[in-house]
Amino acid sequence: NAGVTQTPKFRILKIGQSMTLQCAQDMNHNYMYWYRQDPGMGLKLIYYSVGAGITDKGEVPNGYNVSRSTTEDFPLRLELAAPSQTSVYFCASSYSRGAEAFFGQGTRLTVV
Amino acid sequence: ILNVEQSPQSLHVQEGDSTNFTCSFPSSNFYALHWYRWETAKSPEALFVMTLNGDEKKKGRISATLNTKEGYSYLYIKGSQPEDSATYLCASSLSGNTPLVFGKGTRLSVIA
Repeated sequence: NAGVTQTPKFRILKIGQSMTLQCAQDMNHNYMYWYRQDPGMGLKLIYYSVGAGITDKGEVPNGYNVSRSTTEDFPLRLELAAPSQTSVYFCASSYSRGAEAFFGQGTRLTVV
Repeated sequence: ILNVEQSPQSLHVQEGDSTNFTCSFPSSNFYALHWYRWETAKSPEALFVMTLNGDEKKKGRISATLNTKEGYSYLYIKGSQPEDSATYLCASSLSGNTPLVFGKGTRLSVIA
């Protein structure tokens, strides 16, 4: 099993550009999450999904969109990149809300 | 979105010292409490998942306790070693289809 796979690992975007961060898991997990890591702030929840076709906002959803058309994939879309979106993004999945979360390796995004 | 608080924010200890951190979370509608270890340049990895009031879990020199009635959990490290240096994250979830929300973490540095 590959676990949780995130792509790309690194990306530099110009202000106003768009991109999609990919996240896939092969563990048949129902729950999937997107977090961003800001210095001294731990992990902030952007969006989450409790199953295919169901998504919901987290603490910091502005400027992002998600979709969950399959159990395996949970892409995160940035439509108009802003410098405030410079961060490290982590995708995670878990079988249920009480189960251990497994994390991808992270995507380091810089918006200039 | 629930609020998870961790203290202290950072901690420096000598090799061989024992130490502990605190995680506070809302006790209403509690479902689960997680502890993760997060090493620099890596992804968080689960240490413990606890759901029952009074739960105590142990993994080697690391242990954790849970008090769901008053909304706190302690993580203990006995005889700290330099390899224990990491950020320790606490996360909690509530009943229902709610996400896993993280605290800001406690950064531990163990000095040889």
